[in-house]
Amino acid sequence: GESVGLHLPTLSVQEGDNSIINCAYSNSASDYFIWYKQESGKGPQFIIDIRSNMDKRQGQRVTVLLNKTVKHLSLQIAATQPGDSAVYFCAEKAAGNKLTFGGGTRVLVKP
Amino acid sequence: EAGVVQSPRYKIIEKKQPVAFWCNPISGHNTLYWYLQNLGQGPELLIRYENEEAVDDSQLPKDRFSAERLKGVDSTLKIQPAELGDSAVYLCASSFASGNTIYFGEGSWLTVV
Repeated sequence: GESVGLHLPTLSVQEGDNSIINCAYSNSASDYFIWYKQESGKGPQFIIDIRSNMDKRQGQRVTVLLNKTVKHLSLQIAATQPGDSAVYFCAEKAAGNKLTFGGGTRVLVKP
Repeated sequence: EAGVVQSPRYKIIEKKQPVAFWCNPISGHNTLYWYLQNLGQGPELLIRYENEEAVDDSQLPKDRFSAERLKGVDSTLKIQPAELGDSAVYLCASSFASGNTIYFGEGSWLTVV
C-alpha cells in the first residue's frame, strides 16, 4: 500500500548550520504535504505545509521543497538552533482526507 | 487561544482493566481525530469525526476500542479490556474541517503492565 518514509533516521548537525530532512512518498495522488516537529513528551507541532501545485514554500527559517517527479519532499532548516532538536515527521494527505505519517527523523543539534 | 487539551497525560493500568481518554478540541474545530503513536513511529489514525459523526473508523479495533463525540465537541476514547500491546501514546487532534491543517494535543501516555 501507499507509504511515506524517511531516508535518514537520525541527523546530527552543528548549531548554526543548515539542516535538510528528506522524505519519500509513494502515493502519486497525494495533494497536500505537511511537516511536523515532535519534541520529547509532546504532541506533533505543525511546522509548514505545501500543496501539490507548488514546488517550494518558505516559512520562518524553514523551507519545504516538493519534487513530484521523484515523489520527494524535504524540509530545510536554516541556522539550526538547539531548540530545533526533535523528531520530524512528514505526512501526506490523499483522497478521503486521511493523513499518513512517515516514520520520523531525529535531529540532534550539537553546540 | 487554547490548543487541543487531553487528559489524563499519563496512565498506568494492569492488563484487562479499562481505560478512558478525554479530548477537548480547539474551539470551532468541527473535525476531531484520535491517533495512536508507538515509540519511534509516526501517528496512525484510529478514528475521525466530522461533528458528531464518525466518518472514518476503519483502523479502530472495535473488539476492544470505542469512541464517542456525542455533542460534536469533546470526545472520549475507551479501551476495554486493555492489553499489553496497547501501551502507546494516544493523540487527539482537530481541524476546522477535513482537509485543513491538523493540530495535535500533547497526548495521553498509556502503559499497560
